[in-house]
Amino acid sequence: EAQVTQNPRYLITVTGKKLTVTCSQNMNHEYMSWYRQDPGLGLRQIYYSMNVEVTDKGDVPEGYKVSRKEKRNFPLILESPSPNQTSLYFCASSLSEGYGGANVLTFGAGSRLTVL
Amino acid sequence: QKEVEQNSGPLSVPEGAIASLNCTYSDRVSQSFFWYRQYSGKSPELIMSIYSNGDKEDGRFTAQLNKASQYVSLLIRDSQPSDSATYLCADFISLGAGGTSYGKLTFGQGTILTVHP
Repeated sequence: EAQVTQNPRYLITVTGKKLTVTCSQNMNHEYMSWYRQDPGLGLRQIYYSMNVEVTDKGDVPEGYKVSRKEKRNFPLILESPSPNQTSLYFCASSLSEGYGGANVLTFGAGSRLTVL
Repeated sequence: QKEVEQNSGPLSVPEGAIASLNCTYSDRVSQSFFWYRQYSGKSPELIMSIYSNGDKEDGRFTAQLNKASQYVSLLIRDSQPSDSATYLCADFISLGAGGTSYGKLTFGQGTILTVHP
């Protein structure tokens, strides 16, 4: 089954304790992205990657890191989490088909993170 | 200033009515527009995409795009309780040359729709 898999789905942690949210897709997609979703703010992009070793900042990158060493994986790293990073996180990927195929994103199930 | 704005909700309509969801965008180079539906506790799923001015119909859903007015809407005919969800509008701007699909997808804040029996 074609899917984007995120882990963990739920996590409660404390301020300053480094954590990684993993994301893996089995569709050979080139484009991957991380979003956070907060009430009233919709989905905001954190980082995205257009291919292996190619990453760039989205709208809210502060406090996050990413890496793209393999095409299928795009982990999100919180080096020193703070309470304002409590949010619902979504990883997404898409296949590059040129204009018209456009950016049809497939989303993971989401990871709910609470930082105390 | 937010780049994609959706009409404030929540929106409540009776079963069988037409639900109208609206979205405006600020960047004139926006190329494509998408409507995602997100059920509570679930991830967003794509329901409609539109690239050209005019209407695009898919079953009970009609997307309308007016690039001159920078306006995109989603109409849901014969609304059902199962349509109750948050609807997210998004615009896409290509970041590459030659019509590449690499680009930036910007979402609105979402509109909560409730269809009551």
